[in-house]
Amino acid sequence: GQSLEQPSEVTAVEGAIVQINCTYQTSGFYGLSWYQQHDGGAPTFLSYNALDGLEETGRFSSFLSRSDSYGYLLLQELQMKDSASYFCAVSTDSWGKLQFGAGTQVVVTP
Amino acid sequence: NAGVTQTPKFQVLKTGQSMTLQCAQDMNHEYMSWYRQDPGMGLRLIHYSVGAGITDQGEVPNGYNVSRSTTEDFPLRLLSAAPSQTSVYFCASSPAGTGSGNEQFFGPGTRLTVL
Repeated sequence: GQSLEQPSEVTAVEGAIVQINCTYQTSGFYGLSWYQQHDGGAPTFLSYNALDGLEETGRFSSFLSRSDSYGYLLLQELQMKDSASYFCAVSTDSWGKLQFGAGTQVVVTP
Repeated sequence: NAGVTQTPKFQVLKTGQSMTLQCAQDMNHEYMSWYRQDPGMGLRLIHYSVGAGITDQGEVPNGYNVSRSTTEDFPLRLLSAAPSQTSVYFCASSPAGTGSGNEQFFGPGTRLTVL
């Protein structure tokens, strides 16, 4: 079957580093995306990896290993505003099909 | 640009009623999608469209219809509402297929309750 696995919750203090892992098993794979969603809000795009390696965007970095069907999102210098749910999503074809994980709730404490 | 807009923001239906959730985008994006989000289950793709006149099913299409007569609009129709369709519905658009890495832009969502 198809599945994306990510931890349900991670708690960390301000200034810390958090890594959210995502393992996937899908019928097709074109790339791995990460989205952020604050409570009551809409998902917003953070990053996309199609090839193996690390992509860095400010305080956030995303990594992909296609051979391991694994990726992660790294949040550095955590801020209170980073408290949100983070979803990994696999593009399963080139047209627009996205399959999402269940999400990881990140709780940042003072 | 208004981006992706959805109406209504909230809706309560009785079992068996039908309704249409509206979605519009002003970014001239080819690709539009509908997702539902249930607690603890992430977003699940209902239907998507790669351009005007072209639609396809996603992961959970049963009980929903879509059409795409213009680039801007992508309405979602609930044929006969059931309590299992209580959810938050998000519409999204992107300038090209997500396989190429283009981000999806999400609307604010419609919160639907079916009694």
